Amino acid sequence: KAGVTQTPRYLIKTRGQQVTLSCSPISGHRSVSWYQQTPGQGLQFLFEYFSETQRNKGNFPGRFSGRQFSNSRSEMNVSTLELGDSALYLCASSFFRGQGFLTFGSGTRLTVV
Amino acid sequence: AQRVTQPEKLLSVFKGAPVELKCNYSYSGSPELFWYVQYSRQRLQLLLRHISRESIKGFTADLNKGETSFHLKKPFAQEEDSAMYYCAPYRRFQGAQKLVFGQGTRLTINP
Repeated sequence: KAGVTQTPRYLIKTRGQQVTLSCSPISGHRSVSWYQQTPGQGLQFLFEYFSETQRNKGNFPGRFSGRQFSNSRSEMNVSTLELGDSALYLCASSFFRGQGFLTFGSGTRLTVV
Repeated sequence: AQRVTQPEKLLSVFKGAPVELKCNYSYSGSPELFWYVQYSRQRLQLLLRHISRESIKGFTADLNKGETSFHLKKPFAQEEDSAMYYCAPYRRFQGAQKLVFGQGTRLTINP
């Protein structure tokens, strides 16, 4: 069965632009979480979606947003990009909520120049 | 404040030697605890969780509620154990649930 798929794998954007990242969870998984990974801050929780609703949000500015569709696919959007948004963005899915057992995608490497 | 600490950013041991990766947490209530691992050029993946009390790839982790620690141990390290290891408490609080990762420990096994 296919794993968690994130597209695109790499992105280069200019400051001030916006970007949308996509995540397709494992078939049947209904919970999708997003994380930002940087060398300095490590893995930081962004948000979690379940049944098309954001259930939990990390400590990130409002420029970071997301959504989940009825087929559980999720998108993450960052508006007005800043240099500090350069990071690896990881998506993870799980069958239920209430589990720490997450299956991760390979990530999208975003570079802001 | 809720916090998870992995005190060693880097840990280097020789093949065949015992290895212990430390994890201390500061959480109210009773979080579930997990260890995740990321091998070179691979995805972040679950290694083990405390409630299952299992041994995966020779690794075990004991939850010590008194010391609020969840150290990862292996009696005889192998070269293929070289990777980045993350301790991660999972907690439900007022309907919010999330997995929080420590800063990670990069383990290098020398031949």
